[in-house]
Amino acid sequence: DTAVSQTPKYLVTQMGNDKSIKCEQNLGHDTMYWYKQDSKKFLKIMFSYNNKELIINETVPNRFSPKSPDKAHLNLHINSLELGDSAVYFCASSRLGQSFNYGYTFGSGTRLTVV
Amino acid sequence: AQSVTQLDSHVSVSEGTPVLLRCNYSSSYSPSLFWYVQHPNKGLQLLLKYTSAATLVKGINGFEAEFKKSETSFHLTKPSAHMSDAAEYFCVVSEGADDYKLSFGAGTTVTVRA
Repeated sequence: DTAVSQTPKYLVTQMGNDKSIKCEQNLGHDTMYWYKQDSKKFLKIMFSYNNKELIINETVPNRFSPKSPDKAHLNLHINSLELGDSAVYFCASSRLGQSFNYGYTFGSGTRLTVV
Repeated sequence: AQSVTQLDSHVSVSEGTPVLLRCNYSSSYSPSLFWYVQHPNKGLQLLLKYTSAATLVKGINGFEAEFKKSETSFHLTKPSAHMSDAAEYFCVVSEGADDYKLSFGAGTTVTVRA
């Protein structure tokens, strides 16, 4: 199936831990994104990579570090997790220059709960 | 700069009755506009998009939206709601000048009564 896939789907962890969320797309897109959805369902962009290069880096704590080993993968590593990091994180992808016409394809989300 | 305002945080309808979800946008350029739907515990699915072609846009599952530049609106409608339409709906804007970034509205929760 062609898709954007994220793992894990659910992640429960203690404060202070370090965790990673992985994202892969097989759509041939060259641009990938991480969005955070808070408890009020509001979606806000965090990062965007185009061909492994960072192109958007919104105001996000340094504890969040994206890594793109190739244009089909964009992983999110979070250090020293805090309670406020609890949210649903969505990965998405698009083709450069075409998100204006086609929008994004989203993954199904990773629900992170920090206890 | 671009922004999106969804005028209703929650809409409740009876099955078989029309659904109207209101969205207003502000944009410095000619935007593209999208509606996405998120079913409980699921990802976001594209319902429909407006990209400067026909102002009345038809999407999946019987939804349609009309782009009105004079009113800076992009309201989503469906003539007859189905129980499966219960979900969160997001109005989204993209500007050509900032192609990478989509800006999301705060969402409208739709509940459908039997």
